[in-house]
Amino acid sequence: AQTVTQSQPEMSVQEAETVTLSCTYDTSESDYYLFWYKQPPSRQMILVIRQEAYKQQNATENRFSVNFQKAAKSFSLKISDSQLGDAAMYFCAYRPNAGNMLTFGGGTRLMVKP
Amino acid sequence: GAVVSQHPSRVICKSGTSVKIECRSLDFQATTMFWYRQFPKKSLMLMATSNEGSKATYEQGVEKDKFLINHASLTLSTLTVTSAHPEDSSFYICSASQRGGLETQYFGPGTRLLVL
Repeated sequence: AQTVTQSQPEMSVQEAETVTLSCTYDTSESDYYLFWYKQPPSRQMILVIRQEAYKQQNATENRFSVNFQKAAKSFSLKISDSQLGDAAMYFCAYRPNAGNMLTFGGGTRLMVKP
Repeated sequence: GAVVSQHPSRVICKSGTSVKIECRSLDFQATTMFWYRQFPKKSLMLMATSNEGSKATYEQGVEKDKFLINHASLTLSTLTVTSAHPEDSSFYICSASQRGGLETQYFGPGTRLLVL
């Protein structure tokens, strides 16, 4: 069974600084998808970024980028120029290519200091 | 695009009553919808997966007769908590996968259930 681990329960970053959230996963599959979701206090889950495992290039969405290390089964999220609105719970998730079930990590609470 | 709604956003009910939660994909057809439960400060726990027109697939430990799921159309799935008890109080979230989409799940805003 796949597992997703987020080793940082909480992280803190100064506004305008950069922060990296860690995520590792375990799978025997070679083709899969990885996601980062953000859950602000409203509790609405918002897709931040998606990575296809067959792509070597790291995904980027504006201030959000990932460092995808397939061999190490690592998928970290980098947030640049942190903003107060980035404060939220961040969940890393895995989805196999065959099938559509997401496996979530335990989450990382990100606090942004003004 | 890819908006999912849930109704109601919050519900309070008495123990023993049944509560229905609706999940709708507003601007796309959802071949598959998912129901999650989230406890405070915890991750999402998948309860069941439903495909339009077929029976839901429940995760281990989830009572099928307690949590009834119906996926009657490509835009609507419902979760009915039958004979609710205080331990069913939780935050319930649905998500939907877009037909022919990029394998992404889009989430509803969630429903907070409080059983007195």
